[in-house]
Amino acid sequence: GIQVEQSPPDLILQEGANSTLRCNFSDSVNNLQWFHQNPWGQLINLFYIPSGTKQNGRLSATTVATERYSLLYISSSQTTDSGVYFCAVLYYGGATNKLIFGTGTLLAVQP
Amino acid sequence: KAGVTQTPRYLIKTRGQQVTLSCSPISGHRSVSWYQQTPGQGLQFLFEYFSETQRNKGNFPGRFSGRQFSNSRSEMNVSTLELGDSALYLCASRADRDEAFFGQGTRLTVV
Repeated sequence: GIQVEQSPPDLILQEGANSTLRCNFSDSVNNLQWFHQNPWGQLINLFYIPSGTKQNGRLSATTVATERYSLLYISSSQTTDSGVYFCAVLYYGGATNKLIFGTGTLLAVQP
Repeated sequence: KAGVTQTPRYLIKTRGQQVTLSCSPISGHRSVSWYQQTPGQGLQFLFEYFSETQRNKGNFPGRFSGRQFSNSRSEMNVSTLELGDSALYLCASRADRDEAFFGQGTRLTVV
């Protein structure tokens, strides 16, 4: 099956710093999403990005589907950015139609 | 537009009991997927229902089952609970093969 790897696994930043999170996937996928998991466990949608670049405030994402990776950029980080960031690829083929999650990046932003 | 609603938010059950979790998707969405999140295994796909039919199933024992009603609401049932079933259970709502939106989750503790 498709493998999804995220790096780094852990990241500690000072408030105001920038960061880049990476998501690699092992096969062609139909779509890709980035999520932020809040302290209560809910997955918050950040980006739905099969290819190209999108921006939303201090966050932006780029997916290069032909090279099988996606990047999430966080600029001017704030303590509220802390939490776990997941990428998930959507694969549907035959009877399969599901999101496959990476192992996540745990981000801690210190004041 | 209301989001994805999962009930209950928290549950404590005893080994051997059974439990039923509920998920109401976003209005108009016909796909409901269930995921289990544990510290050791990450986010694992359980199953997906689309228009009252199970469309995909993950690699979980038969103690895990689900169903979907005509209004797209879905229930997930776990019978003969084991300690290892303690987890956060997340439900995702999609129109079909597109962006997934998650509920707040149900945190199940088996004692």
